Amino acid sequence: QKEVEQDPGPLSVPEGAIVSLNCTYSNSAFQYFMWYRQYSRKGPELLMYTYSSGNKEDGRFTAQVDKSSKYISLFIRDSQPSDSATYLCAMSRRAGANSKLTFGKGITLSVRP
Amino acid sequence: KAGVTQTPRYLIKTRGQQVTLSCSPISGHRSVSWYQQTPGQGLQFLFEYFSETQRNKGNFPGRFSGRQFSNSRSEMNVSTLELGDSALYLCASSRGTSGASETQYFGPGTRLLVL
Repeated sequence: QKEVEQDPGPLSVPEGAIVSLNCTYSNSAFQYFMWYRQYSRKGPELLMYTYSSGNKEDGRFTAQVDKSSKYISLFIRDSQPSDSATYLCAMSRRAGANSKLTFGKGITLSVRP
Repeated sequence: KAGVTQTPRYLIKTRGQQVTLSCSPISGHRSVSWYQQTPGQGLQFLFEYFSETQRNKGNFPGRFSGRQFSNSRSEMNVSTLELGDSALYLCASSRGTSGASETQYFGPGTRLLVL
């Protein structure tokens, strides 16, 4: 079993829809949880960073962590065509750069105008 | 400020050859991490360098190596290339502190094709 599993895609939604992206993990040592967005031919860019369980909101994006279920989610409200990209969850045992990021495989989202 | 730059952007090699990829981090960043991205395995951590020392390593064979220079620029080398080494190689830089909100900034990657 891989340490981090991410829902396979691709996912296609109409503009304005609420999108839910999910990852599960097996290693209870993970403490820091991230969501990255990767556009075609670009490197990943950090969207959300959360520590331990709870919710974090940033504009149209909400990250949710449930450590008891080893489950994290990213919600995108009022989705836009510009949100079309690959979304990757990532997690680490320690904070900061001195920590190895373990990624999910990513899911490709397409938002139809 | 300028972002992370990687050169070359695209590379074609044949099996058995070796390749060197370069990464210039954001100015002031002392940590550089390297990742391999493939459709089958996703993004996998290769290694991290900080102040010219490797301080973290993933589960890749010894054919994959790296180094960091005093100006924080980093190179990774893959020797005796195999078809399975075809991938997007990404580097990420950060300040290198252990702050809880430390962010890794990724470059655009080098796409390597091994024939």
